[in-house]
Amino acid sequence: QVQLQESGPGLVKPWETLSLTCTVSGGSISSSSYYWDWIRQPPGKGLEWIGSVYYTGSTYENPTLKSRVTMSADVSKNQFSLTLSSVTAADTAVYFCASKRGGIMTGYEESWGQGMLVTVSS
Amino acid sequence: QSVLTQPPSASGTPGQRVSISCSGGSPNIISNTVHWYRQLPGSAPKLLIYRNNQRPSGVPDRFSGSTADTSASLAISGLRSEDEAVYYCASWHDMVSGLVFGGGTKLTVL
Repeated sequence: QVQLQESGPGLVKPWETLSLTCTVSGGSISSSSYYWDWIRQPPGKGLEWIGSVYYTGSTYENPTLKSRVTMSADVSKNQFSLTLSSVTAADTAVYFCASKRGGIMTGYEESWGQGMLVTVSS
Repeated sequence: QSVLTQPPSASGTPGQRVSISCSGGSPNIISNTVHWYRQLPGSAPKLLIYRNNQRPSGVPDRFSGSTADTSASLAISGLRSEDEAVYYCASWHDMVSGLVFGGGTKLTVL
């Protein structure tokens, strides 16, 4: 199983853009067996899928966030990234990256990063 | 409110068998297979059951998954204190065209 590590600013101002990177080790993001996920969890609440990116750059986004989400994959760095624009306090959450093994519809989140708290505040 | 409905809480005593339900309300949700995750406080979720009833290596056979009609269930037998956690179901939702999680069930071992 691969290991994943999130990185990026832990504090973002309202209406600015949140940017996170997930570094993958122990495997290649260009593996055809995986999609790469972003999932978040507001403090004290449940899990919310943000979206999935394939190494080719194709993406699937949560329809409720789609207008603000951009995801990409950098095969040369074995990383994938998330940007979320126009953030508000409602976007304060622990952000997880994860490896989705299998297809986009039947795949499962096999490995998870430790998570990173991102706070939206001025 | 989550598309997948789970009871907010469940409980049992050591050694007991408990079951956690996940109701989708649509055949499309369950037909895409259901996965289960366990989250300990302050930790990332961990895969427990995938594709309805498959256990990843390292997950003991005390954990089992099943599906019926438009719902899925996670069963834990021989309950232990370390099983105290929040359990989430997840499945691809055709109508939403995305992955959805249940609201989570907090399991307490009495």
